[in-house]
Amino acid sequence: GDSVTQMEGPVTLSEEAFLTINCTYTATGYPSLFWYVQYPGEGLQLLLKATKADDKGSNKGFEATYRKETTSFHLEKGSVQVSDSAVYFCALEGAGGTSYGKLTFGQGTILTVHP
Amino acid sequence: EPEVTQTPSHQVTQMGQEVILRCVPISNHLYFYWYRQILGQKVEFLVSFYNNEISEKSEIFDDQFSVERPDGSNFTLKIRSTKLEDSAMYFCASSAQGANTGELFFGEGSRLTVL
Repeated sequence: GDSVTQMEGPVTLSEEAFLTINCTYTATGYPSLFWYVQYPGEGLQLLLKATKADDKGSNKGFEATYRKETTSFHLEKGSVQVSDSAVYFCALEGAGGTSYGKLTFGQGTILTVHP
Repeated sequence: EPEVTQTPSHQVTQMGQEVILRCVPISNHLYFYWYRQILGQKVEFLVSFYNNEISEKSEIFDDQFSVERPDGSNFTLKIRSTKLEDSAMYFCASSAQGANTGELFFGEGSRLTVL
């Protein structure tokens, strides 16, 4: 079945540091890929998505590129802020259009950014 | 900004008791979901619901679980006879379309503790 593997955390960075959170997946066909973020006390929010190979999703300075050849969707940000401290989840939705909203999640990565 | 709301935020119950978790999805959304996250584990899909019926359910969603949209605004998850292993954070989500074309909006979660 489908699976998502995320970089183990927690990740602790200083403000303005470069961020990479690795995500690889196993799925048949061409799934849609997502990064969700959960800030303290809030629900999961969609951060960005990519629905086909070589697409780049971007939002709030975060980027991730759908790499079919390496089955990866790594999250990057050039300069993190304290306000980026949160839990980040990589997820996929299987191809075929029959499982709308059935997301397979990675284990989540806790990011803490210090001033 | 519209949001998904869940109640209660935390419920403690005795093993064998029935529990109902409630959710108010975003008002114009058509697809509804329940996910759960056992402490330290991945967020897992439980069930999706569309047009007043279950679209898909995972193997976790056995006969002890049921969902209902009783009044056109609420969306509930009932666990008929709770077990210790049902202790988890339960997330409700809704979407206007399938996730590959639209995003899922998650609530803050309801933490269930079964003693």
